[in-house]
Amino acid sequence: AQRVTQPEKLLSVFKGAPVELKCNYSYSGSPELFWYVQYSRQRLQLLLRHISRESIKGFTADLNKGETSFHLKKPFAQEEDSAMYYCALSSGNTPLVFGKGTRLSVIA
Amino acid sequence: EAGVAQSPRYKIIEKRQSVAFWCNPISGHATLYWYQQILGQGPKLLIQFQNNGVVDDSQLPKDRFSAERLKGVDSTLKIQPAKLEDSAVYLCASSLPIGGTRNSPLHFGNGTRLTVT
Repeated sequence: AQRVTQPEKLLSVFKGAPVELKCNYSYSGSPELFWYVQYSRQRLQLLLRHISRESIKGFTADLNKGETSFHLKKPFAQEEDSAMYYCALSSGNTPLVFGKGTRLSVIA
Repeated sequence: EAGVAQSPRYKIIEKRQSVAFWCNPISGHATLYWYQQILGQGPKLLIQFQNNGVVDDSQLPKDRFSAERLKGVDSTLKIQPAKLEDSAVYLCASSLPIGGTRNSPLHFGNGTRLTVT
């Protein structure tokens, strides 16, 4: 069964500090991993996905198959990064399975 | 492009009553999903449509929940009768290919917040 674990419900960091939102998954095949973000009063939206290998808003995430992880990182947090972040997994044509989410709070 | 539209935004009902939610996906998106998001949890898939056919409804509580997408565009999700534990945000999403993977992500609506008292 596919499962996504986000161990932290809440992560508070100071502005300018590095950020790492943890995500671990369980799936025996070749997964596709995503990070979705929900800013206050906005809809859930895609932030980035591992196949794109891109940096969005300064965030990056590397798929580590050995550790079954897909942690989201940003070297310098900004106040506008405060939001709910959800890690999600898909396997080919199956629908996304979401983690419980981590609320990131960036303190000025 | 216009986003996924959902209505109503909020709904409060008493247990054992019925409720229906409506979703209009992005034009041209063949795949439509209904997710349930209980407070403090991530979205959980209820049902997936490809055009007007059901692809996956394995997690839909079929004794009380039903959904349809008759013309392959709009969709409605119904709960009858509602229970207290149905209180949640109901999210509709759409995408181009099956699964929303590859080059087409899921586009979510604003959701309907249901409170069952």
